[in-house]
Amino acid sequence: NAGVTQTPKFRILKIGQSMTLQCTQDMNHNYMYWYRQDPGMGLKLIYYSVGAGITDKGEVPNGYNVSRSTTEDFPLRLELAAPSQTSVYFCASSSGLSRELFFGEGSRLTVL
Amino acid sequence: GESVGLHLPTLSVQEGDNSIINCAYSNSASDYFIWYKQESGKGPQFIIDIRSNMDKRQGQRVTVLLNKTVKHLSLQIAATQPGDSAVYFCAEGGAGGKLIFGQGTELSVKP
Repeated sequence: NAGVTQTPKFRILKIGQSMTLQCTQDMNHNYMYWYRQDPGMGLKLIYYSVGAGITDKGEVPNGYNVSRSTTEDFPLRLELAAPSQTSVYFCASSSGLSRELFFGEGSRLTVL
Repeated sequence: GESVGLHLPTLSVQEGDNSIINCAYSNSASDYFIWYKQESGKGPQFIIDIRSNMDKRQGQRVTVLLNKTVKHLSLQIAATQPGDSAVYFCAEGGAGGKLIFGQGTELSVKP
């Protein structure tokens, strides 16, 4: 199993550009999450999903959108990128039966 | 609102000593609590969890204590090793799968 795979690992955006961070998992997990982590800080929940077709807002959803059309994929879309969105983004998944989250390696995004 | 916070941002211990990392939470409705370890440049790794109906849970060299009266959570690491150096996060979760993380404590182990 590859686990949770995020792409890209690094990206630089200009202000106002849009992009999608991809996340896919091969563990057949129902629960998936997107977090952002600013330097020296904890993880802030952006959006999460408890199954295909179901998404819900986390702590900091503004400026982001998600979709969950399949169990495997949970892309995060940034519309009109702003410098405040410069961060490391982590995708995670869990089975829901266990509380353990499996994290991807992160995507480092810089908005200039 | 919900919040999970830590008392100490940094903790330095001598190799072989025991470490205690603390966490305060405010949502008394949380069903479970989890401790994660994050090494530099990597995603967080699950350490141990505890359900809200438990007071204590032990793993390999780690123990989590939950005091619901004062809404306090702690992670104890026995015989701390250099490989334990990392940032440790507590997180709380409830029904519906939402999981909120605290700020984190950086543990530094001196040889």
